[in-house]
Amino acid sequence: NAGVTQTPKFQVLKTGQSMTLQCAQDMNHEYMSWYRQDPGMGLRLIHYSVGAGITDQGEVPNGYNVSRSTTEDFPLRLLSAAPSQTSVYFCASSYVLGQPYEQYFGPGTRLTVT
Amino acid sequence: DQQVKQNSPSLSVQEGRISILNCDYTNSMFDYFLWYKKYPAEGPTFLISISSIKDKNEDGRFTVFLNKSAKHLSLHIVPSQPGDSAVYFCAASDAGGTSYGKLTFGQGTILTVHP
Repeated sequence: NAGVTQTPKFQVLKTGQSMTLQCAQDMNHEYMSWYRQDPGMGLRLIHYSVGAGITDQGEVPNGYNVSRSTTEDFPLRLLSAAPSQTSVYFCASSYVLGQPYEQYFGPGTRLTVT
Repeated sequence: DQQVKQNSPSLSVQEGRISILNCDYTNSMFDYFLWYKKYPAEGPTFLISISSIKDKNEDGRFTVFLNKSAKHLSLHIVPSQPGDSAVYFCAASDAGGTSYGKLTFGQGTILTVHP
């Protein structure tokens, strides 16, 4: 049981480039989400999904796209990278029923946009 | 507008003593609160939670207290150990509303426990 995995661990992009951050979980969790962590800001929700085919925006969705075609995967796409998107990105998952707020986090992707 | 605030960026405690981490919130719709712990280069891990129908929840060395009238919660670690040194995040959710599953995090407090 690998839990929540994220790739890559590190990435450097130039302004205007696009890329996809990968997230996968093997716990059969319905709920998946993406957060970004910036100094002094805590973790802020970007997008989330309550099941395959269902996604919604969080607090800071601009510049990011998501899709959920399977229960296991929830990729985050940066459409045209900007220096303001330099951050550490965390993917998380949890069950929808039971204790849904005890989300399990991946190890993070550190992204630098120059 | 920061709905969940951790006003102390850092806390330093001696091993064996009590660590008290504080968190304030402004949204009266929040009814479920969690604490997460984060080591460098790792994702946050769930530590302990409390529902708004309770004012205290205990799990081993960790106790969370909730004061709804003051919109304040605190995490007590007794006794503190060097391995507790990490960043602690407070988080809140509106369990009964449409924000199901969405967590609002505080800025985090860096706890350092000295041997």
